[in-house]
Amino acid sequence: QKEVEQDPGPLSVPEGAIVSLNCTYSNSAFQYFMWYRQYSRKGPELLMYTYSSGNKEDGRFTAQVDKSSKYISLFIRDSQPSDSATYLCAMSEDTDKLIFGTGTRLQVFP
Amino acid sequence: ETGVTQSPTHLIKTRGQQVTLRCSSQSGHNTVSWYQQALGQGPQFIFQYYREEENGRGNFPPRFSGLQFPNYSSELNVNALELDDSALYLCASSSFPAPGNEQFFGPGTRLTVL
Repeated sequence: QKEVEQDPGPLSVPEGAIVSLNCTYSNSAFQYFMWYRQYSRKGPELLMYTYSSGNKEDGRFTAQVDKSSKYISLFIRDSQPSDSATYLCAMSEDTDKLIFGTGTRLQVFP
Repeated sequence: ETGVTQSPTHLIKTRGQQVTLRCSSQSGHNTVSWYQQALGQGPQFIFQYYREEENGRGNFPPRFSGLQFPNYSSELNVNALELDDSALYLCASSSFPAPGNEQFFGPGTRLTVL
C-alpha cells in the first residue's frame, strides 16, 4: 500500500463547475499537507499549504484536512480552462521531505 | 529574483552510461532537494543538500549521488544508468530545511535511457 493514494483521473468538467480533488494517506505522523499544480512540461507549483487539521481558503481554492480520517481535499470553485493541469497532493512529517500522491489530471472544457 | 533553473532540458543516454544534471537554486536559498518523477507518477524524494552537505536521503541506491557548491547550486549524478531511470528529474530550492517550508521547483530535466 502506498503512503499516499490519489485517483489519477482524468477528471473532465465544464467551465464553472466545482471540482473536488482528494487524497488519502496511511501515515498518521504526517503534519504538513500541500497541494501542487503541475502544468505539462513544468515543475510543480505550490497552491495551498495546511498545517495539521482544518480548512484553508485562498480565492477560488479551499483545502481541507481531516486527520481523523486521513483524508485531504482540494476544492476549486468556478473552474476555468486555465485550471487544466495535474494536481498533486503532498505531505510531510517533521521534515521537509515531501511524499507525493500520483497526481490527478484535470481538464476544464469551455 | 531568479527562479530555480535546471539544465539540460532533455537528455538521452544509453543503459550503463553516467549522467550529470544541474540545478541553480532561487536567489537567497541555501537548500536544494532532488526528486524523480516517473511518467504518470508523483515526484519521489531522492535527497536534499543543505550548506554543501547531504541532509536526508530517500529510498534510492548509492549510484544516485549529488553535490552542492558554495553558491548553493547543485548536481545530481547517476551512474550505471538503467531503463527505469527514465524520468523527469526535478530540483526544488528553499530558504532553509524546515518542515512546511515552501519548496520552489524548477522545470525539470527529462532523462530518457535507451
